[in-house]
Amino acid sequence: DAGVTQSPTHLIKTRGQQVTLRCSPKSGHDTVSWYQQALGQGPQFIFQYYEEEERQRGNFPDRFSGHQFPNYSSELNVNALLLGDSALYLCASSTGQGAREQYFGPGTRLTVT
Amino acid sequence: AQSVSQHNHHVILSEAASLELGCNYSYGGTVNLFWYVQYPGQHLQLLLKYFSGDPLVKGIKGFEAEFIKSKFSFNLRKPSVQWSDTAEYFCAVIPFSGGYNKLIFGAGTRLAVHP
Repeated sequence: DAGVTQSPTHLIKTRGQQVTLRCSPKSGHDTVSWYQQALGQGPQFIFQYYEEEERQRGNFPDRFSGHQFPNYSSELNVNALLLGDSALYLCASSTGQGAREQYFGPGTRLTVT
Repeated sequence: AQSVSQHNHHVILSEAASLELGCNYSYGGTVNLFWYVQYPGQHLQLLLKYFSGDPLVKGIKGFEAEFIKSKFSFNLRKPSVQWSDTAEYFCAVIPFSGGYNKLIFGAGTRLAVHP
């Protein structure tokens, strides 16, 4: 049973560019949440998708957007990258609207130069 | 604003020592509480969780945590640590807010266990 998978593992981008990160949830899970973990900090909630809709959003600008596909996989898009967007981006999957017990993927390390 | 505080950023222990990591949260309503662990080079894993019922919860690898509602605390304990417990530990809270729940994490505690 595959857990949560994310791609790519590492990514280097230049300021102003756009990036797309991908996540496949654990088998049987239908809810995907995205988190940003800056160096030395705990993960911060970006948004959550359920039934292909954004259900909740954290305190992140509109440059951060996402999508969920019918097979429950998800993408995180970040436009107009800033140096401060450098972080580990984590995807977590769960089941049901409550989404209480969340399982995390290995993350994508994004470096913006 | 809702927040989670972890009192120790770095903890260094010798094997067989007892461990207690502090966690406090700021939210007056119903909460679900979690401890996650991140071993070196691995992804975040759920260590234990509290939803309701007995405030003393047991997790994997001999860890336990106690929810004290009056103190808004959820401290993690282990009576005797091993070198393999070296990891970063994150306390997290889901404050109930209409059904769609986000995890709010603390900043983490980095634990180093020396043989």
